[in-house]
Amino acid sequence: DIQMTQSPSSLSASVGDRVTITCRASQSISSYLNWYQQKPGKAPKLLISVASSLQSGVPSRFSGSGSGTDFTLTISSLQPEDFATYYCQQSYNTPVAFGQGTRVEIK
Amino acid sequence: QVQLVQSVFEVKKPGASVRVSCEASGYTFTGYYMHWVRQAPGQGLEWMGRINPNSGVTNYAQKFQGRVTMTRDTSISTAYMELSSLRSDDTAVYYCASSIAVAKDAFDIWGQGTMVTVSS
Repeated sequence: DIQMTQSPSSLSASVGDRVTITCRASQSISSYLNWYQQKPGKAPKLLISVASSLQSGVPSRFSGSGSGTDFTLTISSLQPEDFATYYCQQSYNTPVAFGQGTRVEIK
Repeated sequence: QVQLVQSVFEVKKPGASVRVSCEASGYTFTGYYMHWVRQAPGQGLEWMGRINPNSGVTNYAQKFQGRVTMTRDTSISTAYMELSSLRSDDTAVYYCASSIAVAKDAFDIWGQGTMVTVSS
């Protein structure tokens, strides 16, 4: 099974900061990497699919990059509504797997 | 609109079983895999398995093999997840999710979640 490792597990940042979250797969997953945002008490929301494809309605300050085993989610200018937990997920094969999550908190 | 609506809340005793439902609307239910993901309190997301609503073929995560059963009723566009031999560490929010308009197994629709509490 493919394992997904995110870093950091949490971070503190201010409004306007540039934030980068990384995700590493235990083997190559091509570009089959998705990013989700989850707020307390809510279901996850898909932000980016196949590493860099921004979902409709998601602000352009979110971007994704990478291929193979190493991936990055970047928020170019953090907004108050972006404070949440972010998960990566591989969809290269079954079983799909999620990273452990990165909690983005207000500094 | 496209949506998944789940049963709301379940409280069960250890050793019992629970069945969670997920009703799909706004799209062709039989055209897309339905997946189940759970999240224990304060923890991350854990994939449990999936069902092909057209054929009924299932794939389960190794961790849940023998305890989970996923089924569907195509006449009412509803998927079910049954978990047996419940333990306290099965206390979690259980989500159904599917990939409708995007790449394979990128979950663009989610149910609202079903809170399952296992307690004596």
